[in-house]
Amino acid sequence: SQTIHQWPATLVQPVGSPLSLECTVEGTSNPNLYWYRQAAGRGLQLLFYSVGIGQISSEVPQNLSASRPQDRQFILSSKKLLLSDSGFYLCAWSVGGNGQPQHFGDGTRLSIL
Amino acid sequence: QKEVEQNSGPLSVPEGAIASLNCTYSDRGSQSFFWYRQYSGKSPELIMFIYSNGDKEDGRFTAQLNKASQYVSLLIRDSQPSDSATYLCAVEYGNKLVFGAGTILRVKS
Repeated sequence: SQTIHQWPATLVQPVGSPLSLECTVEGTSNPNLYWYRQAAGRGLQLLFYSVGIGQISSEVPQNLSASRPQDRQFILSSKKLLLSDSGFYLCAWSVGGNGQPQHFGDGTRLSIL
Repeated sequence: QKEVEQNSGPLSVPEGAIASLNCTYSDRGSQSFFWYRQYSGKSPELIMFIYSNGDKEDGRFTAQLNKASQYVSLLIRDSQPSDSATYLCAVEYGNKLVFGAGTILRVKS
């Protein structure tokens, strides 16, 4: 069966520090991968998605970036965090193709001080 | 702009009652629709998906889709306190999903 791992679960970072969040999927090949952010009490905002290695689509202009160095690995990064980057970051995967359900990791709760 | 609208709630129902959650969407071209449950502090969990007009039942859950009215709903029969959560509606746009802001459901024992 497929599993998705996301870490760390909780992160507290100072303003201006760098960020790296990692997500890996097991048990499937060539998945679509997604990064979302959820602000407190709000809906899910799609940040990036990828349909293959090295293929990244950005949905929202911001100081974040994403990379997919391996088929089942998706990384979210920032060079300098802002206070507004606080939130619950979720990685998700789906089978390739349109209209497929997405399955979420446990998420990373990021607090910027 | 692809939009998915949900009543934020909270929707309060007594234990054992039917909870009805509703969602409307803006793009007539969407073909796939999903319901997720999100407990406080946790990640969303897929509970139902529906592709065709009509009803789809899975245990205590029934998803209903009306593409002409651009409307999808989720019915939860015999609601339990453990069903208390935020329910997110998601609509497919190609290989992406657009999520509604969610409806908070509270089941009172």
